Amino acid sequence: QVQLVQSGSELKKPGASVKVSCKASGYIFTSYAMNWVRQAPGQGLEWMGWINTNTGNPTYARGFTGRFVFSLDTSVSTAYLQINSLTAEDTAVYYCGRVPSWSYYLDVWGKGTSVTVSS
Amino acid sequence: EIVLTQSPATLSLSPGERATLSCRASQSISTFLAWYQQKPGQAPRLLIYDASNRATGIPARFSGSGSGTDFTLTISSLEPEDFAVYYCQQRSNWRETFGQGTKVEIK
Repeated sequence: QVQLVQSGSELKKPGASVKVSCKASGYIFTSYAMNWVRQAPGQGLEWMGWINTNTGNPTYARGFTGRFVFSLDTSVSTAYLQINSLTAEDTAVYYCGRVPSWSYYLDVWGKGTSVTVSS
Repeated sequence: EIVLTQSPATLSLSPGERATLSCRASQSISTFLAWYQQKPGQAPRLLIYDASNRATGIPARFSGSGSGTDFTLTISSLEPEDFAVYYCQQRSNWRETFGQGTKVEIK
């Protein structure tokens, strides 16, 4: 069946980096774009951007430029989100989500990866 | 950037009642609007896309309507498992935004 399996929870110190993985299975990885969504504790959903799984070209939402990096390893059908120079404000659950080509809605979601930044 | 405003913030209803959730866009988005349901500790789930199309496996009690700037998600008769938070989402110019969410709680 179609699924996105995300890496496990992370506890990081301020200033460190974290890399979250999202492994796809059950479909052709390059036939769908991959989006990333953040949800801070007790807050709503915030779109971070997306990556074209054919070209590897990322698009970042306002507020997610500079420290955030989307990448791919198509050989293992996996998308990655790296966050550099972590601060406490990056504490959140990060979701990956599949988007049909030329569309916008996330039809399959990973279960989320909790990232906690604390000294 | 297009802003989506959802109302009300909280909807208190009883099982069996009808729920009507609103999502208003700051400018026209045609019918490029999706709705999601999120339960505590879970990832969101796609309910509706393109304003009125139910996603695979979504019960018929969920329906969406609207175009332009005003959209509605209707749950015709609330089941116990429908009490959750609902978000709308749009894309314009290859950039997406979510509304702030409506919580449907048990009265």
